Amino acid sequence: GESVGLHLPTLSVQEGDNSIINCAYSNSASDYFIWYKQESGKGPQFIIDIRSNMDKRQGQRVTVLLNKTVKHLSLQIAATQPGDSAVYFCAETFYNQGGKLIFGQGTELSVKP
Amino acid sequence: EAGVTQSPTHLIKTRGQQVTLRCSPISGHTSVYWYQQALGLGLQFLLWYDEGEERNRGNFPPRFSGRQFPNYSSELNVNALELEDSALYLCASSIFKPGQETQYFGPGTRLLVL
Repeated sequence: GESVGLHLPTLSVQEGDNSIINCAYSNSASDYFIWYKQESGKGPQFIIDIRSNMDKRQGQRVTVLLNKTVKHLSLQIAATQPGDSAVYFCAETFYNQGGKLIFGQGTELSVKP
Repeated sequence: EAGVTQSPTHLIKTRGQQVTLRCSPISGHTSVYWYQQALGLGLQFLLWYDEGEERNRGNFPPRFSGRQFPNYSSELNVNALELEDSALYLCASSIFKPGQETQYFGPGTRLLVL
């Protein structure tokens, strides 16, 4: 399948530190990207999105950076809190993808108090 | 505003049985998507329905099927269940318009096939 997640990368940070979660996307034609947060036992929750005509977008405590040259996406979380502990997925799509989001493997963020 | 809802939350079935999962989209959303999240395999696209029609399906066998009703709610049916169908089944909804295609997910239905 397009999403491989046999070994979930993990990131462990101290409460209050900034977190950076990275994602390499697969299709150079993708023009819309989304970050989701998934807590244990729940469905993915929308965090922030970005279109390919932008390099950076900021939300509340979160920033997404897009580097189309190397097909790389990152999510920065400022002042990470214990409630940020979850698995974070990036997803990509483009207009003629037939509604399909292609998900990355996910990164597990663990915040130590 | 209510989010995407799914039912049931959990299901246990045996091999060979059939199952129906249900999804109600966010009010005003016409598109419904189904994904399978099996352990260790990430989220895999299953089906997309819009305005009552199946618009796209992922790389799954025909025993995975579904439909969308006039009120935009949707059902996912899985026939002849196999052990590897055990997974979290996620439904998402969106407005299907360029620039507004963000998919919002429900809590999922966890299916265990014994």
